[in-house]
Amino acid sequence: DAKTTQPTSMDCAEGRAANLPCNHSTISGNEYVYWYRQIHSQGPQYIIHGLKNNETNEMASLIITEDRKSSTLILPHATLRDTAVYYCIVRDRTQGGSEKLVFGKGTKLTVNP
Amino acid sequence: NAGVMQNPRHLVRRRGQEARLRCSPMKGHSHVYWYRQLPEEGLKFMVYLQKENIIDESGMPKERFSAEFPKEGPSILRIQQVVRGDSAAYFCASSLDSSYNSPLHFGNGTRLTVT
Repeated sequence: DAKTTQPTSMDCAEGRAANLPCNHSTISGNEYVYWYRQIHSQGPQYIIHGLKNNETNEMASLIITEDRKSSTLILPHATLRDTAVYYCIVRDRTQGGSEKLVFGKGTKLTVNP
Repeated sequence: NAGVMQNPRHLVRRRGQEARLRCSPMKGHSHVYWYRQLPEEGLKFMVYLQKENIIDESGMPKERFSAEFPKEGPSILRIQQVVRGDSAAYFCASSLDSSYNSPLHFGNGTRLTVT
């Protein structure tokens, strides 16, 4: 089961910042938070990941709270092409050391003109 | 710098036939993951392989499904005696290593239709 909780859907106006929240209250000390998105039926696209510090790349920023129990993905200037399902994932380590990603239902972000 | 390549993009099989899905990981990546996405549903993990080894197959159906990642060549997901319920998008991902700090990069999938 996914270890994160996200809103089912969100709307954002084109050109504005999109802030997508994620709760991961059971995260353990060595687990990273990953963000992916899936546009229509394409393959999931990696966006960003982090452990405890805030991270920024050319696509987005990731803000992780000090207690690491929640995070926010920020798309600074959303465009229509950012409409997608966004997945927040805590990387799961099960017995045997399989560091697979477990996808939940994600947040359906709709960017409106 | 090519990403993860999957082929074919679309595959149509009749019930009872075999389906073979191929995945070439990104250059330098030796870890491969397969996921399945049924229509209108989420992505479900199937299997995780390293070169010549299956590391985690906890998501694989017990029958008819198998996966391999040989020393040379692409990873193969094989579905024998396909049924209509196997119709789905199958995504492959690769990573550089198995650390938490190594992102998975996905291909654009193979869409299997069983008629």
